[in-house]
Amino acid sequence: DQQVKQNSPSLSVQEGRISILNCDYTNSMFDYFLWYKKYPAEGPTFLISISSIKDKNEDGRFTVFLNKSAKHLSLHIVPSQPGDSAVYFCAPGIQGAQKLVFGQGTRLTINP
Amino acid sequence: DAGVIQSPRHEVTEMGQEVTLRCKPISGHNSLFWYRQTMMRGLELLIYFNNNVPIDDSGMPEDRFSAKMPNASFSTLKIQPSEPRDSAVYFCASSRRQGGETQYFGPGTRLLVL
Repeated sequence: DQQVKQNSPSLSVQEGRISILNCDYTNSMFDYFLWYKKYPAEGPTFLISISSIKDKNEDGRFTVFLNKSAKHLSLHIVPSQPGDSAVYFCAPGIQGAQKLVFGQGTRLTINP
Repeated sequence: DAGVIQSPRHEVTEMGQEVTLRCKPISGHNSLFWYRQTMMRGLELLIYFNNNVPIDDSGMPEDRFSAKMPNASFSTLKIQPSEPRDSAVYFCASSRRQGGETQYFGPGTRLLVL
């Protein structure tokens, strides 16, 4: 039972363009959503989050959009930079329950 | 500030041997999580602790796996006996229980069981 799906295993984007990573979920109880970034041989690092009471959260080049009715969220990176090349995980959770459910990840490659 | 510390970073062992993975959470964090990452199953939660007490161990695959947290600054994940299918990267993460749900991950332990 896959509660969280990142349907694109990989994505390749030109430097300077926009990268859009998508995430779908099935559990309507999820009320906060985190994105993590992972480089090879390192642990995931927190990138940005959004609560279910919002539909957008922005932090510099990173913006996360949440569509609760569609149970869909997306991470926009603009402009994309070579250092953004990494695996990105979507990780929803339930406030107070502490457990996060991780998607399978999307490998983003930024081409110079 | 030091992040989550895990040791060893790499472990190679033979089937049947005992393996112990160690984790030191971020100071002041009172929740600790153990995850396993494999190609087939992705990143899955094994167990987590609040204030050194195990809260949910439903992700622990079987009785060969055990985890302890004897104090606020140290936790272990033990596999006994180890099997080749236990080969994976094991991550430890910590968070503050109140005031935020963000988990901060250690660098992981890459385990290979031959």
